[in-house]
Amino acid sequence: DTEVTQTPKHLVMGMTNKKSLKCEQHMGHRAMYWYKQKAKKPPELMFVYSYEKLSINESVPSRFSPECPNSSLLNLHLHALQPEDSALYLCASSHPDRTNTGELFFGEGSRLTVL
Amino acid sequence: QKEVEQNSGPLSVPEGAIASLNCTYSDRGSQSFFWYRQYSGKSPELIMSIYSNGDKEDGRFTAQLNKASQYVSLLIRDSQPSDSATYLCAGNDKLIFGTGTRLQVFP
Repeated sequence: DTEVTQTPKHLVMGMTNKKSLKCEQHMGHRAMYWYKQKAKKPPELMFVYSYEKLSINESVPSRFSPECPNSSLLNLHLHALQPEDSALYLCASSHPDRTNTGELFFGEGSRLTVL
Repeated sequence: QKEVEQNSGPLSVPEGAIASLNCTYSDRGSQSFFWYRQYSGKSPELIMSIYSNGDKEDGRFTAQLNKASQYVSLLIRDSQPSDSATYLCAGNDKLIFGTGTRLQVFP
């Protein structure tokens, strides 16, 4: 069982809707990530939070808005999305220190469909 | 040139054989490398980390890192049908994944 929990598992939304994806971890990790994954492609990094501060934003459109309310929670707010934004959205966490920054623990993902 | 490159496969091996998965990288900022396994419809799962040149063994898995050649590989001994998945390589600097290699182990 994954220790990174993502909700909802599936989300269908229209282009004018506002919705949020949620991610929670209780491993004491202080770095959290959002990745986007399209079918048959590798995960693409979107955002990184380290110690609750946004440290990386990979030029993601503003219709995606991340939020890290505390060290255990990570949200991704969605507004005015396009059909091409339909994908699997993966949350991950890791220790931000030392060389093991790449040891990511992934949640099961939220599959988003934009109509 | 992509920062992390992998042969997309599929790599087909018979059960019991050694599967060899390769990854080359151009980012010299990465000092550590990671192999993830992703089953179809599931999220990636970390299976091996390697931090220094040489080999690291964990059960049926061996990771190899050659920083001078900017090359990292994963060997899976005694391959099983349950090893059939996509294997993703990543460096720690920019957290970018390679395109992944799809492995098929047939009985």
